[in-house]
Amino acid sequence: QAQLVQSGAEVKEPGASLKVSCKASGYKFRDADIHWVRQGPGQGLEWMGTINPSSTGTYYAQRFQGRVTMTRDSSTGTVYMELTSLRFEDTAVYYCARRPHCSGDSCFGMDVWGQGTTVIVSS
Amino acid sequence: DIQMTQSPSTLSASVGDRVTITCRASQSISSWLAWYQQKPGKVPKLLISLASTLQAGVPSRFGGSGSGTEFTLTISSLQPDDSATYYCQHYKSYPWTFGQGTKVEIK
Repeated sequence: QAQLVQSGAEVKEPGASLKVSCKASGYKFRDADIHWVRQGPGQGLEWMGTINPSSTGTYYAQRFQGRVTMTRDSSTGTVYMELTSLRFEDTAVYYCARRPHCSGDSCFGMDVWGQGTTVIVSS
Repeated sequence: DIQMTQSPSTLSASVGDRVTITCRASQSISSWLAWYQQKPGKVPKLLISLASTLQAGVPSRFGGSGSGTEFTLTISSLQPDDSATYYCQHYKSYPWTFGQGTKVEIK
């Protein structure tokens, strides 16, 4: 079955960079976009952006523009999310999630999620 | 950006009650809406896509309706396992956005 496995928890200092990996398995890597969603402590879900592993096209939420980069390695079926210039408010659980490519009107939500990566930004 | 607003923020209901959560979009999103359930410390789970299409394996007591700017998630008979926070999310165009969440508590 389709699965996304993320890298482990991280503790970073303000100003540092973060790179989280998300390894896909159980489905054709190119058949689904990967999205990144984060959740601060006690907060709701926040969509960060997406990458299409087939075209490498990306779209980032405006509030992360200039600080986030999403890339993929097709040879390993892994997507990466890099966030630079970390701030205290970037402390959150970061999730990757799959959204299969749409087929006509068959266009669904994010159906498979990684287990989450806890990131703490602390001095 | 399209804003998603959910109501109520919290609701408390008894086992067996019918529960309704509302989600409003700041502009028309047709039926490009998903609902997720998240239990404390757990990963979000997709319940419904296309406003009303139940994901495989989701109990039939969950239902979604609406189109355009107003949507509802209904739990026809609330069960103890339904205690969770529910989020709506549009996927009409980028950037995607989530509602702020509705926490459902069991009395």
